Amino acid sequence: GQQVMQIPQYQHVQEGEDFTTYCNSSTTLSNIQWYKQRPGGHPVFLIQLVKSGEVKKQKRLTFQFGEAKKNSSLHITATQTTDVGTYFCAVREGGKLQFGAGTQVVVTP
Amino acid sequence: DGGITQSPKYLFRKEGQNVTLSCEQNLNHDAMYWYRQDPGQGLRLIYYSQIVNDFQKGDIAEGYSVSREKKESFPLTVTSAQKNPTAFYLCASSSQGRKTGELFFGEGSRLTVL
Repeated sequence: GQQVMQIPQYQHVQEGEDFTTYCNSSTTLSNIQWYKQRPGGHPVFLIQLVKSGEVKKQKRLTFQFGEAKKNSSLHITATQTTDVGTYFCAVREGGKLQFGAGTQVVVTP
Repeated sequence: DGGITQSPKYLFRKEGQNVTLSCEQNLNHDAMYWYRQDPGQGLRLIYYSQIVNDFQKGDIAEGYSVSREKKESFPLTVTSAQKNPTAFYLCASSSQGRKTGELFFGEGSRLTVL
């Protein structure tokens, strides 16, 4: 099945700084979804990207789908303590959704 | 309120015992899923069902069983054949009709084998 690699696995960020997490695939993706899981919580859907080169913004979060549709990124500007958690990308393969291993984000005040 | 309800939230089991985790949704979603999450790990698909009375194995189905007799219910049984069952189990559902087909998750069931 499709495999997506997320990097980095862990990210320590100073409050106010920016950071980016990446999701890479060896195959062309039809679409990609991003989820956020707060510590002790459950994953919550953030966004879906479908088109080549697509860029979508949600306040301080910017999501991008690569031109070749083999990679995606999530960039967060001016990190806040509320951004702490694990961010997952996920790809649909037929009737199922396959998740990457996630990037665990820790924010230092 | 519409949503997904998982129970129990915490469960302790002795080795050799089967245990069933409940998942109920009132979102009228056709598809339902079970994922397993280990500490610091991603989500691994156990089973999924796209329609009532039908389900498919995911990547780690061994030692687990499911049923889908009703649209709103998708219980997961962790059998004694599962070698390392201690984990956080997440149930999710999605609508085939929604453009994005995003998953809506329950709050999870944390199983500990003593």
